[in-house]
Amino acid sequence: DVKVTQSSRYLVKRTGEKVFLECVQDMDHENMFWYRQDPGLGLRLIYFSYDVKMKEKGDIPEGYSVSREKKERFSLILESASTNQTSMYLCASSPGTLGGGTYNEQFFGPGTRLTVL
Amino acid sequence: RKEVEQDPGPFNVPEGATVAFNCTYSNSASQSFFWYRQDCRKEPKLLMSVYSSGNEDGRFTAQLNRASQYISLLIRDSKLSDSATYLCVVTGGSQGNLIFGKGTKLSVKP
Repeated sequence: DVKVTQSSRYLVKRTGEKVFLECVQDMDHENMFWYRQDPGLGLRLIYFSYDVKMKEKGDIPEGYSVSREKKERFSLILESASTNQTSMYLCASSPGTLGGGTYNEQFFGPGTRLTVL
Repeated sequence: RKEVEQDPGPFNVPEGATVAFNCTYSNSASQSFFWYRQDCRKEPKLLMSVYSSGNEDGRFTAQLNRASQYISLLIRDSKLSDSATYLCVVTGGSQGNLIFGKGTKLSVKP
């Protein structure tokens, strides 16, 4: 079974803190994604990566950065947390190459519920 | 027009009922289509892919109408365990990423 793990299920941080959310997948997937999910807004893509050291902005990258130093690990960084970044953060991975009109199932981690006070 | 639109529900149905969810998408270039299921406080998981010819998996039937840019999911003989939010998902964007609808909530009552 594909397993995607996230470093924390629940996290509470203060405004202005630097926050690291870690995601690890064990299936040698090329592609990894970070989403946030908010009531009434659904899943929104923050950043994604289709290879080690590669990253692409999603729909809402402002206030976030990412790092992919190893294939299995994709980190989301909040440089200076703000209250509007309180949300559920979901990491996902998928095999294969992006683009080209074909696409593969994304496997999600359990999510990190981040509260910024 | 939003990229993927779904009726948010909730749909409250009795056990054994047949329920249908609809979804429209705006990008005519989308080539792959899916239904994901998300249980309360859990992560989304793939329920089924949607093929042009329509496809069935047990009690679940998915249909695609490319001309109308419309996708549907039919659940027959609803079970209590079907209670969840159902997400309509299509490919789109410059990299062919998945675009998620906001989901339709289903509650199956005894």
